[in-house]
Amino acid sequence: ETGVTQTPRHLVMGMTNKKSLKCEQHLGHNAMYWYKQSAKKPLELMFVYNFKEQTENNSVPSRFSPECPNSSHLFLHLHTLQPEDSALYLCASSQDGDSTDTQYFGPGTRLTVL
Amino acid sequence: AQKITQTQPGMFVQEKEAVTLDCTYDTSDQSYGLFWYKQPSSGEMIFLIYQGSYDEQNATEGRYSLNFQKARKSANLVISASQLGDSAMYFCAMRESTGGTSYGKLTFGQGTILTVHP
Repeated sequence: ETGVTQTPRHLVMGMTNKKSLKCEQHLGHNAMYWYKQSAKKPLELMFVYNFKEQTENNSVPSRFSPECPNSSHLFLHLHTLQPEDSALYLCASSQDGDSTDTQYFGPGTRLTVL
Repeated sequence: AQKITQTQPGMFVQEKEAVTLDCTYDTSDQSYGLFWYKQPSSGEMIFLIYQGSYDEQNATEGRYSLNFQKARKSANLVISASQLGDSAMYFCAMRESTGGTSYGKLTFGQGTILTVHP
């Protein structure tokens, strides 16, 4: 595997379900991110992890719970979601301290909440 | 005020021609980075090109070049010799260095849908 991978690619869940999104980066980076992309809205940063420590929580509702067990893996745990949470969830990674700090994205998980 | 503005919701270009996608930004930082990403219908955000605020030369990556006009706060993407595979959504993004640490926090524009006609 190369780059940034995300599983699953598609997820349909009910409002009472609990599910998790997984992201893995194979780039040796030390920072990982979760973004939400809703229709007709710009990408919204949700969470940032730097060296496994959460450094940013962009006022995200508690029904979204991130977990970063190591610098290569990032999870987004979902519970009691709302239909308006349906969106494309993108994971990204970067090397903090790199001259450009370019973020590289995974293919995303397209989430539908019924 | 929006930090990143992409005024073209959609653009059309003939195959093999060049096209310019507009991006203006707003920041009071002296040090910042500007990025362009391509998002095909599959959803993945593909990094195209980067321009640092202190870079004196315009960035180029293959058929992509960034027309950086710092005084006008614009960072337009130029795609030369368009190909059918260039049809996608294109996003301009900015990373600011607020408070000395940014942890790569990116602000994205609304995007421009580019359609390449054969």
